[in-house]
Amino acid sequence: EAGVAQSPRYKIIEKRQSVAFWCNPISGHATLYWYQQILGQGPKLLIQFQNNGVVDDSQLPKDRFSAERLKGVDSTLKIQPAKLEDSAVYLCASSLEPGPGPGNTIYFGEGSWLTVV
Amino acid sequence: LAKTTQPISMDSYEGQEVNITCSHNNIATNDYITWYQQFPSQGPRFIIQGYKTKVTNEVASLFIPADRKSSTLSLPRVSLSDTAVYYCLVGIISNFGNEKLTFGTGTRLTIIP
Repeated sequence: EAGVAQSPRYKIIEKRQSVAFWCNPISGHATLYWYQQILGQGPKLLIQFQNNGVVDDSQLPKDRFSAERLKGVDSTLKIQPAKLEDSAVYLCASSLEPGPGPGNTIYFGEGSWLTVV
Repeated sequence: LAKTTQPISMDSYEGQEVNITCSHNNIATNDYITWYQQFPSQGPRFIIQGYKTKVTNEVASLFIPADRKSSTLSLPRVSLSDTAVYYCLVGIISNFGNEKLTFGTGTRLTIIP
């Protein structure tokens, strides 16, 4: 079974520039998550989708971050304009249903590493 | 948001059993507890998941007391390849009464040859 795919793997941009990350979840997974992981810290949830609808985006800095999942499959996370403190790993995850629960594991991609200089 | 806390780091020798505890006082009633392993430059990898009492799979055991305010990941006979950061993931009831999936603070496990 293919895992959660993310791209690009690494990105370096200057502050005030924009960047976009793409995620393709595991086939059939209705729930998709974007997490931000700053070096040395645990992942923090940015946004959670159920199909193409947003379930939770309370920790998404909406003045500069946006995310969409138009067809309920792939998702894109955008940052514009980027700040130095946005340097982090952006992890995409997916699960069959909002979870976790019996038979419903949340699986993570390898992450997209962003450095803002 | 109430924190989910873990020891910052642990060291162990090869072949020993390692127990890592996560404290989650405000865990949501119906949520499962999941543990992940993370190597440098990789995403978190699923280890084990449970709701209460004890769960065991081919790589670990998970112990959850009746009040579910903590959980303990047990790794039997660790090897050098178990050196990684370990996170618990639980649903936590926030100060506003809503539920959020929250990662623990992470435990850096170092296995000594």
